[in-house]
Amino acid sequence: DAGITQSPRHKVTETGTPVTLRCHQTENHRYMYWYRQDPGHGLRLIHYSYGVKDTDKGEVSDGYSVSRSKTEDFLLTLESATSSQTSVYFCAISVGLAGAYEQYFGPGTRLTVT
Amino acid sequence: AQSVSQHNHHVILSEAASLELGCNYSYGGTVNLFWYVQYPGQHLQLLLKYFSGDPLVKGIKGFEAEFIKSKFSFNLRKPSVQWSDTAEYFCAVNARNNQGGKLIFGQGTELSVKP
Repeated sequence: DAGITQSPRHKVTETGTPVTLRCHQTENHRYMYWYRQDPGHGLRLIHYSYGVKDTDKGEVSDGYSVSRSKTEDFLLTLESATSSQTSVYFCAISVGLAGAYEQYFGPGTRLTVT
Repeated sequence: AQSVSQHNHHVILSEAASLELGCNYSYGGTVNLFWYVQYPGQHLQLLLKYFSGDPLVKGIKGFEAEFIKSKFSFNLRKPSVQWSDTAEYFCAVNARNNQGGKLIFGQGTELSVKP
């Protein structure tokens, strides 16, 4: 499991409310990622982090922000949730050396925006 | 831009049948290739990976995949599927020179194995 936990595991929220999802890792990995999974789209990268306070956008970053103030925690925030953000969110970490990284995933958070 | 295409959206097989799931990618440089499996209600697990060397790679649970560079393909195979292989399978790619190895995924193939 690469020591990755996500919280909450399930959440139902209303349109327009802010939501923060947390990814926690215990093995001091440098690279962390947030993906969303939707039927017919596979997984798509939202944001990623190269280290503390070092983040960048992925392919579907609109409406999302992230923060990484500690190595072990990578937070994903939906500033004002919309129904299109109903999805399953997965956090991942990279393991390996330059040119040969592989990713391991957390258990996921199922978010429903009503 | 990189992209990954999985040919089959949903595959239905009977137990003991052979499996081949197609995966093609688009990228001009050197890549690393992965297959992940997601059992119902679970997270993604790494099934197998290709970095370099022998283009035929073997993974867990009897799966294997072959990298054919000239065809930009990385098809997943298993000689005889079991009911427990019912899951969704994702092909993924990252660029060898990409810092941290962020992945591009295919759309996924849902495999249903009938007992």
